[in-house]
Parts: sequence; C-alpha cells; structure tokens
Amino acid sequence: QQQVKQSPQSLIVQKGGISIINCAYENTAFDYFPWYQQFPGKGPALLIAIRPDVSEKKEGRFTISFNKSAKQFSLHIMDSQPGDSATYFCAGGGSQGNLIFGKGTKLSVKP
Amino acid sequence: GAGVSQSPRYKVAKRGQDVALRCDPISGHVSLFWYQQALGQGPEFLTYFQNEAQLDKSGLPSDRFFAERPEGSVSTLKIQRTQQEDSAVYLCASSLPSRGPGTQYFGPGTRLLVL
Repeated sequence: QQQVKQSPQSLIVQKGGISIINCAYENTAFDYFPWYQQFPGKGPALLIAIRPDVSEKKEGRFTISFNKSAKQFSLHIMDSQPGDSATYFCAGGGSQGNLIFGKGTKLSVKP
Repeated sequence: GAGVSQSPRYKVAKRGQDVALRCDPISGHVSLFWYQQALGQGPEFLTYFQNEAQLDKSGLPSDRFFAERPEGSVSTLKIQRTQQEDSAVYLCASSLPSRGPGTQYFGPGTRLLVL
C-alpha cells in the first residue's frame, strides 16, 4: 500500500501557540518526506522536508520530527501566526520522485 | 525567477468535450509531474516525465487521459470526452533530479469544471 494517513483533518490554534500535525506512512520504500503548504487558489508550496536518516529537522518556526521505526512523522509550527492559516499536506516520495500525499490539515490560527 | 505556470487557470467544459491543459515548467527542470486534486483532498499522482520520456502513467484514471511533453519542456494534459467526475484542479510540478526526489515546485493549477 502506498498510503499516507494525516491527522487531524482540521486544527484551530491561538496566535503564539504550537500547531502539531501528524502523518503515518506504510511504504518503507519512501525515502523523502516533505511538507507542503497550500493557500486557497494556489498550488502547494514546499515548506520543509526530511529524509529517514535524520530524526529531526528545524527551519525557523517549522520542525519535522521523524520516527522511522513507527513509520510516523510530524510537523510542529512554533509561535503560530494568523498568516500560517492554510492547508498543510504531508507526503512520502520514493526514488522515482512522484509523491503520495496525505489528505491535508486545514489550520486556522486565531488572533 | 519564473515559477511553474499553467494555462488556462479555469476551464468550464460540457460533458463530452475534449480539453487540453498546458504546463510550462521551470526552465532547466528535467522532471515534470501531473497531479489531480479533488476538492478538499490531497493531490493524487497522474503521470511523470523525465525530459520527453513518459516514465510512469500509472495514475491516469482512464484511457481518456493523455499527456505529452514532446520537446522535454512544455507539457500538455489532454482529457477526451470529459465526464463530471473529471472536475478537479489539475496541478503540474517540476523538479531538478539533482536536488533529490520530491523537491517539486508546483504551478497554480487549472480548475476544471465539467457540466
């Protein structure tokens, strides 16, 4: 199976809080795990990505945590801002390059 | 620099019509991907090109869907005899293989509505 399961479906966070989105994958051939951010009417934009030989990657307010044995990874958004309100997608990718996406999490950050 | 561009941005078709969707990848990007995104869902892989070669078309939902990239740059996704279930946003993405699999840059998509 080449599924990526993402949760929660929607998330409401207060400004300044931490947003956490979780994903689980089944295909052990995946060797690349990106997170994409999508605003309404726009295409997805790469936010941050990780490879399975690393357990954590941080870029600014965004952190990916990766647990290879559990086949799970998560996105943490620190100090969440209203401008972060968007839909977030996790994905898994193999050597060929095509991505298998989760169903998305709609994040709303309240001021 | 210029990103991935797609045209048209919106397309309304009557059921049974043929449509053609265009993608202009980032200059120099070897790999090109097409995805279909239904409302409220994540993008789903349709097909993949490396230069002009179509290496994977396993995601195309039926033989009504056809994609080409004859000169290894611009790509066209064609849908014949459109059906209502074809209504979706069609996304194109390009990548440089030297940057590793998955580093894909997406265009804004073409929103197709079949009436």
